[in-house]
Amino acid sequence: RKEVEQDPGPFNVPEGATVAFNCTYSNSASQSFFWYRQDCRKEPKLLMSVYSSGNEDGRFTAQLNRASQYISLLIRDSKLSDSATYLCVVRQGRRALTFGSGTRLQVQP
Amino acid sequence: GAGVSQSPSNKVTEKGKDVELRCDPISGHTALYWYRQSLGQGLEFLIYFQGNSAPDKSGLPSDRFSAERTGGSVSTLTIQRTQQEDSAVYLCASSLDTGNYGYTFGSGTRLTVV
Repeated sequence: RKEVEQDPGPFNVPEGATVAFNCTYSNSASQSFFWYRQDCRKEPKLLMSVYSSGNEDGRFTAQLNRASQYISLLIRDSKLSDSATYLCVVRQGRRALTFGSGTRLQVQP
Repeated sequence: GAGVSQSPSNKVTEKGKDVELRCDPISGHTALYWYRQSLGQGLEFLIYFQGNSAPDKSGLPSDRFSAERTGGSVSTLTIQRTQQEDSAVYLCASSLDTGNYGYTFGSGTRLTVV
């Protein structure tokens, strides 16, 4: 079983739609959580950290459910520029980050 | 520099040759990481360095892979006797430390073994 599992998609949504991605992680000792964005043939870039109480950054909302070991990302009012692959990322202790394989989002005009 | 710098950006090598990939992290970042990403796949952890501590080499796929970090700054990833399955994008990242900080990635080295 992979440490971090994501639905690979693609999610095809129209502009202005709300879309949500989930990911699950297998190690209950995971302590830090992030969402990264990766554009085609580019390096991953940090989108946002995920905090236990949930957090929001503009149109993006991240939630963490430790009991069920899943993390979610909600994107409201989707823009064409949101088209990318979204990577769910966890860390246990002082280990390096573990990346999921990503969920591909395609926002269509 | 302002970001993580990797060189070369592209490398084509013949099977069996050795290659060296270079990473120059953000100044002041004590932690440095190497990952690789095969086409259409996720990021695979290779190795990380944190300050003067012994590196975590747990992700290196074979003894053909090694890395060093000189003076706590620049790092070199060496792949000996390259194989076709080594073809991938090799990504370097740095962070302030291994606490709750995200990483900043370089733009990667695309390695093609022919």
